[in-house]
Amino acid sequence: AQTVTQSQPEMSVQEAETVTLSCTYDTSESDYYLFWYKQPPSRQMILVIRQEAYKQQNATENRFSVNFQKAAKSFSLKISDSQLGDAAMYFCAYRRNSGGADGLTFGKGTHLIIQP
Amino acid sequence: NAGVTQTPKFRVLKTGQSMTLLCAQDMNHEYMYWYRQDPGMGLRLIHYSVGEGTTAKGEVPDGYNVSRLKKQNFLLGLESAAPSQTSVYFCASSYSFITGDGYTFGSGTRLTVV
Repeated sequence: AQTVTQSQPEMSVQEAETVTLSCTYDTSESDYYLFWYKQPPSRQMILVIRQEAYKQQNATENRFSVNFQKAAKSFSLKISDSQLGDAAMYFCAYRRNSGGADGLTFGKGTHLIIQP
Repeated sequence: NAGVTQTPKFRVLKTGQSMTLLCAQDMNHEYMYWYRQDPGMGLRLIHYSVGEGTTAKGEVPDGYNVSRLKKQNFLLGLESAAPSQTSVYFCASSYSFITGDGYTFGSGTRLTVV
């Protein structure tokens, strides 16, 4: 079974600085997707960024980028120029591609605090 | 475009009572999922469906039943609620699992069992 590990229960960063959230995963599959979701206090799950395992180029979405290390099974999220609105729970998630209708596997989450 | 709608948003049950949570999506998605979120545990899959009339067990299915009689609706039932089922429940849907699309989530249902 796949597992996703987020080793940082909580992170704190000053506004406008850069923060990196860690995620590692365990799988025997070679074809899969990785995701970062944001959950603000409103509870809504918001997709931040996705990465396909076969793509070597790291995904980027505005201030959000990932460092995908397939051999190390590592998928970290970097948030540049942190803003107060970035404060939220962040979840790393995995989904296999072959017969992968059986859902996302989530990590336990990292609570990101933005200090003004 | 409503996306994924969950009803109710909040509910308090007494131990032993039953209830049904409704998830409705208007995006013609084939795949639908029920997750529960507990503090420090992330989201865990309860049941899922790959199409109308189909259901399958996820990671934590005990104490729950599901039905998908119509493509747009996915119902989660608690037959005899227990305090351990106090949680926030999320429904999600996706068009296809092979395109890499992320899921569309509902806004969640906070259930308290006393």
